[in-house]
Order: sequence, then C-alpha cells, then structure tokens
Amino acid sequence: NAGVTQTPKFQVLKTGQSMTLQCAQDMNHNSMYWYRQDPGMGLRLIYYSASEGTTDKGEVPNGYNVSRLNKREFSLRLESAAPSQTSVYFCASSEQANWNTEAFFGQGTRLTVV
Amino acid sequence: DQQVKQNSPSLSVQEGRISILNCDYTNSMFDYFLWYKKYPAEGPTFLISISSIKDKNEDGRFTVFLNKSAKHLSLHIVPSQPGDSAVYFCAATVTGTASKLTFGTGTRLQVTL
Repeated sequence: NAGVTQTPKFQVLKTGQSMTLQCAQDMNHNSMYWYRQDPGMGLRLIYYSASEGTTDKGEVPNGYNVSRLNKREFSLRLESAAPSQTSVYFCASSEQANWNTEAFFGQGTRLTVV
Repeated sequence: DQQVKQNSPSLSVQEGRISILNCDYTNSMFDYFLWYKKYPAEGPTFLISISSIKDKNEDGRFTVFLNKSAKHLSLHIVPSQPGDSAVYFCAATVTGTASKLTFGTGTRLQVTL
C-alpha cells in the first residue's frame, strides 16, 4: 500500500522557470492538500481540495496553482518560480473533509529555486 | 500571527524517562488537535489526536492532555525510547473546515541512551 506518492523528490529550478509537483493517493480519500515547510515555520497550507472537483486557497496560495485531476491526483504548479518558493513541499490526503480524521502525508519534494 | 505555538525548539530526554512536549494555541475555534512525528527526509506521520470534548487520550506509550481553559495541550511519551527521536508537530483544526491543519513550528526530541 503506497499511501501518498509525490514526484519528484528533489528539484532545482532557475528563477522564472515553471514546474508541476505531482501527488497521487491510493487510499480512496476525498480530500487532498498541499503544504510547504520552511525552517522555523512549521507546515503551512498552500491549497486544498475538499472533494473531487473543488479546490480552495489555503494560508499561502500566492504564486501557485492546483489541479484536482481526479479523486486520486492533486498537482501543484509553480508558473514562474521565485527564490522565496524554495521549500519542502508535502502533499497530504484525508478520508473526509467534514469530520475529523488524520491526514496522511507523502515523503515530500525538496525544491530549490536559484 | 502564529495560532499554534511550540515554544521549545528542542528537548533532550534520557531513555526510559518521560518526554513532555508542549503546545499552546490562540484560536478558540480549534476543536480537534493532533500530534505528528517527523523523521528527516520523510513526511509527517500521525501519532495521536484529541477532541475538545475530552481532556485526555491515550495510545500505548503516548498520552495527550488538553486544557481548554489554558488553550494548552501536551504530549507525554512514557517510557521514551531512542526511536522516538524525531521532530514532533502539534496541529489543530476546526470541525467542518475541510480538515485543514494549522501546525506549530515543531519540537525536536532527542532520546539519549
């Protein structure tokens, strides 16, 4: 059981380049999330998808777009990467949006923008 | 504004002793709290949770205590083991808000022999 799978694991981008971070879950979860982790700041929510077909902004959405491709997949796109987007990105999923269940996280993508 | 705070960046405890990790929150709307454990180069993994209708929840060596009036929760690990060495994140959410989590900044626990 793979759980939440993120690709790639590492990426170096030049300022202004674009890229898409991929995430897939095999637990038949309804809700999916993208967080970023920066030193001394914990994890912060970028975007989330409460259910297939819906997406909403989180705490730090600027500079990002998302697509909930289907129930399994939720991608995060950086259209024009900036050094401030250097971070570790985590995708997560949870069973249901409207009652309290734990979120399961992927291994993370370490992104460096130079 | 940091709504969930973990004021101790690090903690060192001897193997076999109790580890106590603390967390404070400011948003009185939070009604569900979780602890996650994170090893280097891995994603956070869920450890234990507590609803605001309870003041204690136990799972094996792990116990979480919630003091709503003080807006404070703590995670107790008894006895501590070397494999518990990791970063621990406290997180909080409001029921009905799509399970969006607000995280603290983490406490690095080192369990020494």
